[in-house]
Amino acid sequence: QVHLEESGGGVVQPGTSLTLSCAASGVTFSRPPSHWVRQAPGKGLDWVASTLYDGSNEYYADSVQGRFFISRDNSKNILYLHMNNLTGDDTALYYCAAEGEGGSFVHWGQGTLVTVSS
Amino acid sequence: SYVLAQPPSVSVAPGQTATITCEGTNIGSKSVHWYQQKPGQAPVLVMYYNDDRPSGIPERFSGSNSGDAASLTITRVEAGDEADYYCQAWDTSRGHRVFGGGTKLTVL
Repeated sequence: QVHLEESGGGVVQPGTSLTLSCAASGVTFSRPPSHWVRQAPGKGLDWVASTLYDGSNEYYADSVQGRFFISRDNSKNILYLHMNNLTGDDTALYYCAAEGEGGSFVHWGQGTLVTVSS
Repeated sequence: SYVLAQPPSVSVAPGQTATITCEGTNIGSKSVHWYQQKPGQAPVLVMYYNDDRPSGIPERFSGSNSGDAASLTITRVEAGDEADYYCQAWDTSRGHRVFGGGTKLTVL
């Protein structure tokens, strides 16, 4: 049974930083590619970042490139999203997801809400 | 960047067939995945590799992908199928994952 649980969300001011965590059980983050996906209130799914098998390759959406960084602690089986210089456009529910066959996102957490507001 | 286009909404009567499309340039050369999201819940994978169903997904759900369009078809639609549906593909040229804008399926 795979369980992903995000944490670290909250209300922050524009220009500040925040780190999200995703703790996994039943799946080892060092194995499948892992991802962050966000969903702004009332909007659709928006892929944010990915880290591949060995952590050497990371990919970022253009909207967060240079501001967000994905990492993982394989010893703790935790995925992170380090977010810098936050803006109102980053306000969203942030999901972590573990990849399955063919690049599908087979396991999802319940999300953690980030609100950027002054 | 690669773009996937979905109709904002699809409406269907119970028992009928719903088809949700996902258009993208040469999408037939990619693997397309579909997610169902009900209000207040995380997305759930309902189709992967274009036409493979995860365990627990009813046979009423099927998928196809060819040319510039992929589709998710739900036969004998039930009230419980009412949800937002998203297609997703991998833009391998950039390593980016892409979601369609989502389609709200309404069961009349």
